[in-house]
Amino acid sequence: NAGVMQNPRHLVRRRGQEARLRCSPMKGHSHVYWYRQLPEEGLKFMVYLQKENIIDESGMPKERFSAEFPKEGPSILRIQQVVRGDSAAYFCASSQGLAGVFYEQFFGPGTRLTVL
Amino acid sequence: AQTVTQSQPEMSVQEAETVTLSCTYDTSESDYYLFWYKQPPSRQMILVIRQEAYKQQNATENRFSVNFQKAAKSFSLKISDSQLGDAAMYFCAYRWVQKLVFGQGTRLTINP
Repeated sequence: NAGVMQNPRHLVRRRGQEARLRCSPMKGHSHVYWYRQLPEEGLKFMVYLQKENIIDESGMPKERFSAEFPKEGPSILRIQQVVRGDSAAYFCASSQGLAGVFYEQFFGPGTRLTVL
Repeated sequence: AQTVTQSQPEMSVQEAETVTLSCTYDTSESDYYLFWYKQPPSRQMILVIRQEAYKQQNATENRFSVNFQKAAKSFSLKISDSQLGDAAMYFCAYRWVQKLVFGQGTRLTINP
């Protein structure tokens, strides 16, 4: 059973460009979470999605950031008009379903975004 | 808001010795989960150990054990018989609703 997959592993963008980060959850998992890790810091929650629904986006910056988890295909974290402060490692995690019930979150290897 | 604090930015230990990493958290909830994650240089987040707040017994996983003090809101990780492969960043985390709240991390160095 393949783990959580993220691609690309490394992404370099110039200021003002768009960044698209992809996350394929583990087989059978319908919940996806995105976290951001700035240099020398812990991971910070960004958004929690189920298929075709955003459940909690309380950690997402109000502008330039968006996330989706379509019925088919991977979850996408999209950052428009990137700035140097967006440089970070972005981690995706997935879990099985049912809100309110504990299911372990399994993490992907992360995407390291560098903005020049 | 739930917060997690790791007061030791860096720790070091001699190989084969025991080390304890500290973590405190703040919550008004009575039932929750706490975790320790390991992040080696590869940056992969690896779950080390998990504690359910309603269980009084401290969790143990091989050489890793926790000291969970619910009233003090303290959750420390003890690593026994430290090995070179234990060198990594260690993050304490609290599960709030469906998201994880992480501490700032402790960098653990193992001296041969």
